[in-house]
Amino acid sequence: AQKVTQAQTEISVVEKEDVTLDCVYETRDTTYYLFWYKQPPSGELVFLIRRNSFDEQNEISGRYSWNFQKSTSSFNFTITASQVVDSAVYFCALSEAPRVTDKLIFGTGTRLQVFP
Amino acid sequence: EAEVAQSPRYKITEKSQAVAFWCDPISGHATLYWYRQILGQGPELLVQFQDESVVDDSQLPKDRFSAERLKGVDSTLKIQPAELGDSAMYLCASSLAVVVAGGGGEQFFGPGTRLTVL
Repeated sequence: AQKVTQAQTEISVVEKEDVTLDCVYETRDTTYYLFWYKQPPSGELVFLIRRNSFDEQNEISGRYSWNFQKSTSSFNFTITASQVVDSAVYFCALSEAPRVTDKLIFGTGTRLQVFP
Repeated sequence: EAEVAQSPRYKITEKSQAVAFWCDPISGHATLYWYRQILGQGPELLVQFQDESVVDDSQLPKDRFSAERLKGVDSTLKIQPAELGDSAMYLCASSLAVVVAGGGGEQFFGPGTRLTVL
């Protein structure tokens, strides 16, 4: 069965610190997609990144970077030089493809609080 | 920038009453999803549409929940009767992903409807 585990319930850091959010997934499929979403206090889920199972290259986008390791079934997210505006709940999600449904299976989320 | 629209943003109702939520996906998005997010948890899929057809409603409590997307554009999710355990955020999302060809497309979410059942 597919599952996404985000063991860190809540993380607090001071502005400008680097922070890594962990994500471990389980799936029996060889083809799948991994996602990160941000949910600010307003409630709307904001798409951050999609990674497919055949592409293990790490990705950097500004202060954000993602480390995908199939050997450990992990897809970790690092924010460099955190800012107060990064405060939100971050969700890792899995989608198995190709299937009739491409629903997202979410982890329980990690609440990040960045203090000034 | 195109967005997924949802209404109402907030809904308070008493148990045993009927409630309905509306979603208008991004123009051109054939796939529409309704998720339920209980406080402190990640969203869980209730129902997925491809155009006007239901693709997955395996987690939809069909004794009280119903969903429709009659013209393959906007969608309505209804709960009748509402129960205390239905208090949650109801999120609508849409994507360009064509289910037959396989998934994996990013889903774009609306602001959600926060339901409180008293």
